[in-house]
Order: sequence, then C-alpha cells, then structure tokens
Amino acid sequence: SQKIEQNSEALNIQEGKTATLTCNYTNYSPAYLQWYRQDPGRGPVFLLLIRENEKEKRKERLKVTFDTTLKQSLFHITASQPADSATYLCALDQGYSSASKIIFGSGTRLSIRP
Amino acid sequence: EAGVTQFPSHSVIEKGQTVTLRCDPISGHDNLYWYRRVMGKEIKFLLHFVKESKQDESGMPNNRFLAERTGGTYSTLKVQPAELEDSGVYFCASSQPTRSYEQYFGPGTRLTVT
Repeated sequence: SQKIEQNSEALNIQEGKTATLTCNYTNYSPAYLQWYRQDPGRGPVFLLLIRENEKEKRKERLKVTFDTTLKQSLFHITASQPADSATYLCALDQGYSSASKIIFGSGTRLSIRP
Repeated sequence: EAGVTQFPSHSVIEKGQTVTLRCDPISGHDNLYWYRRVMGKEIKFLLHFVKESKQDESGMPNNRFLAERTGGTYSTLKVQPAELEDSGVYFCASSQPTRSYEQYFGPGTRLTVT
C-alpha cells in the first residue's frame, strides 16, 4: 500500500529564510499531490495541488515541485514569516478513478522564529 | 460563505456509550468525507458520500461506526458502542462536484472515550 513520509516532525528556521519541506511516497505515482496547512485545533486547509504531469506550481510565496522519478515533492515557503508557523501535511490520491480518496502524511511542524 | 461546521467540538463519553457526530458541509458540495486522526497518527480516510450515497466506505474501522447523509445535506457519524481506541479527532470535509480533490475541512470533533 502507499506510504507517505514527510522529512521531519519539526523544522525550525529564522524569519526571512526559505523553508523547505519534503514529502516522499513509496509506491505508485499519484495522479496528483496536495499540500495542506493545519493550525492547532483546526482542520487542514488546502494550499496547493500539483498533478503528475506538472513539475512545479507556485502560489504567492509558496512553491511546490513534483518529481515522479524520485517519488518526491518539495514544498517551499520563501521569505518566511512567524505567521507561517503551522503543521504542513502532504496528501496523495489513492490512484482510483474517482481520485477523491486521499491519504495524508503525518505532517511537519514548522516554526519560524523572529 | 460559511465553511464546513462540525458539532460538537468536544465530546467525552464512557466506554460502551453512544456518540453521534454531525457535519454540515458547504452548501452545494455534493461530496462529503469523514476522516479521523488518532493520537500520534496521521489523518485517515473513513468514508465518502456523493450526495446521499456512500461512494467509498473502505476506511470505516468496524461495524460500530455508522455514517448517514439523509437528503444529501448534513451527515452524522454514530459510534455505538464506543471503545477506548475510538478516541481521536474526527474531521469532516466537503468538495464541489467538479473539484473533488479540493477538500474543505471542518474544525473537527475531539472525541475522548474513558
């Protein structure tokens, strides 16, 4: 079955630097890969989706890459701010035709220090 | 536009009791999902409704869990009888018919079984 690994449980970086989070999967290549943000006591919030035929997607200060050869996605936050502190979740579709059943990684807790 | 709402936000019950969780999706979202996060684990898919029909219930742990979505609007998830291992945070999400991958999550219901 598909397994997702996010590089570390926690990442602590200085404000203004670029945060880079890693998501690796072990089995089939998904049709798409998503990144979510989750704050304490709240549900995940959808940030970005990248499809298997896309190498890179950007949204404001966020950038996601998808390498199906390495079975890896990188999530970058440039010019990081303390408000970016949260847990970031990687999620994949299950490869079924409906493509709506997704599986989540355990998340990386990002802390941006002023 | 109102987001996905869940009720209650917290529930503490004793082993053997029954609990019913409610989810109100975003208006117009035909797809409704239930997920669960138990302590220290990743968020896991439970089931998926399309309108009032169960599209996929492969993630339901056992027959103590019953989900319904009468009329294709709100949904309930009943746990009867509750066991200690059912403790966790139960999330509901919804998505539009044509953008099923972009799921909007509710804040979750924290269930504690003692």
